[in-house]
Amino acid sequence: GAVVSQHPSWVICKSGTSVKIECRSLDFQATTMFWYRQFPKQSLMLMATSNEGSKATYEQGVEKDKFLINHASLTLSTLTVTSAHPEDSSFYICSAPRDGRLRNQPQHFGDGTRLSIL
Amino acid sequence: QKEVEQNSGPLSVPEGAIASLNCTYSDRGSQSFFWYRQYSGKSPELIMFIYSNGDKEDGRFTAQLNKASQYVSLLIRDSQPSDSATYLCAFQGDFNKFYFGSGTKLNVKP
Repeated sequence: GAVVSQHPSWVICKSGTSVKIECRSLDFQATTMFWYRQFPKQSLMLMATSNEGSKATYEQGVEKDKFLINHASLTLSTLTVTSAHPEDSSFYICSAPRDGRLRNQPQHFGDGTRLSIL
Repeated sequence: QKEVEQNSGPLSVPEGAIASLNCTYSDRGSQSFFWYRQYSGKSPELIMFIYSNGDKEDGRFTAQLNKASQYVSLLIRDSQPSDSATYLCAFQGDFNKFYFGSGTKLNVKP
C-alpha cells in the first residue's frame, strides 16, 4: 500500500490563485521530504528539500517566494504555489525516504498533483 | 552539475524478449542507483536499487552497475505488455537528494 499520500490529485484554477498541495507520510516519520516538478515528456526536476523544524532548501533557479514549503510536522509537508500562472501548470510530486537519517534509502513517491492554471 | 543520461527511446521489443535499458551518470561520488517505472500520468514506482558493482537480480529484473564506467543498466526478461512504461534512472547525491534521467520509453508489443 501507499506509504506517502499526496493531496489533491488534480487542481484546476484561475491565474493568480494560490494552491496548496499536501504530502503525508503514512506509517513513518519523515524528517525530510522532497518536492519535484515534471513537465510533459520530461524528467522529474527536484525543486526543494523540505526539512522538519527548519527552512526548506531550494534548488538553483527555483523561487522560494513563489513555492512556499512548510514542513509542519514529522508526517506532513506542504507546497504552496503562490499567485499561480499558466506556466506553473505541471505535475508536482513529493517523495520521502523511509528513514532520512540513513543514506541509500529509496524514495517513496506520492501519487502526484496535476496542476492546471487557466 | 549532476547529470543522468538516458536514451529517450522509444525502445520497442516483442513480448517475451529481453529489454535492455541503459543509463550513464556524471557524479563519480555517487553510491546508490535506482530504477523507477512511471506509467503515463502516474508517479514513479521503485523497480530496483543497486549499490555495488556487478549484477543484482530480482525476479525478471536485473540491474547492472559499473562504477568505473559510470554506467548502470536494467534488463527485463520475458517482457510483458504491462511493462510498457517510461523507465527512470536515478542516483542519490548528497543529503539524500535524487537526480533523475529523462527516462526511456519502453513499448512491449504483444
